[in-house]
Amino acid sequence: GDSVTQMEGPVTLSEEAFLTINCTYTATGYPSLFWYVQYPGEGLQLLLKATKADDKGSNKGFEATYRKETTSFHLEKGSVQVSDSAVYFCALNGGSQGNLIFGKGTKLSVKP
Amino acid sequence: GAVVSQHPSWVICKSGTSVKIECRSLDFQATTMFWYRQFPKQSLMLMATSNEGSKATYEQGVEKDKFLINHASLTLSTLTVTSAHPEDSSFYICSASRNSNTGELFFGEGSRLTVL
Repeated sequence: GDSVTQMEGPVTLSEEAFLTINCTYTATGYPSLFWYVQYPGEGLQLLLKATKADDKGSNKGFEATYRKETTSFHLEKGSVQVSDSAVYFCALNGGSQGNLIFGKGTKLSVKP
Repeated sequence: GAVVSQHPSWVICKSGTSVKIECRSLDFQATTMFWYRQFPKQSLMLMATSNEGSKATYEQGVEKDKFLINHASLTLSTLTVTSAHPEDSSFYICSASRNSNTGELFFGEGSRLTVL
């Protein structure tokens, strides 16, 4: 079945460091890909998405490119801030009724 | 933007009692809602798909008699954990789709259940 694999955390970075969180997927067909973020004490929020190959999703300085050839959707940010500390989930829409399949999540801690 | 609200956000109950969690789509109608369970340091696991006006579809391994789902209207789905036990303690999250073409889901804030 469809699945998502993302790098295990936690990831600890200093402010203004470069961030990469790897995400690869296995799917039949051509799913849409998502990154969701969960800030402490809050629900999941959509960070960015890409619906087809070579699309780049971007938001709040984060970006990820849908790479069909490598089945990847790595999340990157050039300069992280303390406020980016959260858990990041990679996901794809693999269910017949539109449910999302999630990776295990990667906790990011950014130190000042 | 679309908002999905869950209530309660925190609940503590005694073993053997039942707990109901509500999920509401506040500014759109959701014919389908999804219930996920999140274990510590693990991913969100889909429990069931809730369809308005029909029976929920449960994922393999999820006890339908234990986790009762009712989707009585286009804006409300409820999850009732019946005869709760400590192993049911978890973070339960609902989500809803407003536009199936985009695939995006909107999530509730989650409900933390602790069974003593």
